[in-house]
Amino acid sequence: EAQVTQNPRYLITVTGKKLTVTCSQNMNHEYMSWYRQDPGLGLRQIYYSMNVEVTDKGDVPEGYKVSRKEKRNFPLILESPSPNQTSLYFCASSRTGPYNEQFFGPGTRLTVL
Amino acid sequence: SQQGEEDPQALSIQEGENATMNCSYKTSINNLQWYRQNSGRGLVHLILIRSNEREKHSGRLRVTLDTSKKSSSLLITASRAADTASYFCATVNNFGNEKLTFGTGTRLTIIP
Repeated sequence: EAQVTQNPRYLITVTGKKLTVTCSQNMNHEYMSWYRQDPGLGLRQIYYSMNVEVTDKGDVPEGYKVSRKEKRNFPLILESPSPNQTSLYFCASSRTGPYNEQFFGPGTRLTVL
Repeated sequence: SQQGEEDPQALSIQEGENATMNCSYKTSINNLQWYRQNSGRGLVHLILIRSNEREKHSGRLRVTLDTSKKSSSLLITASRAADTASYFCATVNNFGNEKLTFGTGTRLTIIP
């Protein structure tokens, strides 16, 4: 089944404790991206990647890191999480870029205490 | 600021009625996409309309695009309870970056 998977789905952590949210797609898509969703603010793009080893900042990259060492994986790293990073996070992928249909993962609900 | 802004923020209608929601954006675009999100879940792509298209249909969905007004509308005809969800428009501007920008969404509730 073609899909985007994220892990974990739910995470409660404390300020400053490094964490990684994994994202994987099995559709051989070139474009992958991360979003955060907050009430009243819609989805805001954190980082995106056009292909392996090619990443770029979205609208809200501060406090996040990403890597794209393999085509299928695009982990989101929070080196020192803070409470303002409490949010619902989505990974998405598409065939070649933002102009195509985006396939979204199920989301990761993160709480930083 | 958001590239796309949906209007209204929330809409409640009776089952069987038509639902219309609007999206306005600020810069010239390559295409505009509409997505649906059921509560807390991942977004699902509904329809894509290119900048040189004015109207597009998919089942009970009808999307229009007016590039002169920088706006789009999504019409859902003969609504069903299962259409209850949030709806988002998304755009990519023509400035050469590859960022997809979503609006803040319209929360649609269908009353059985």
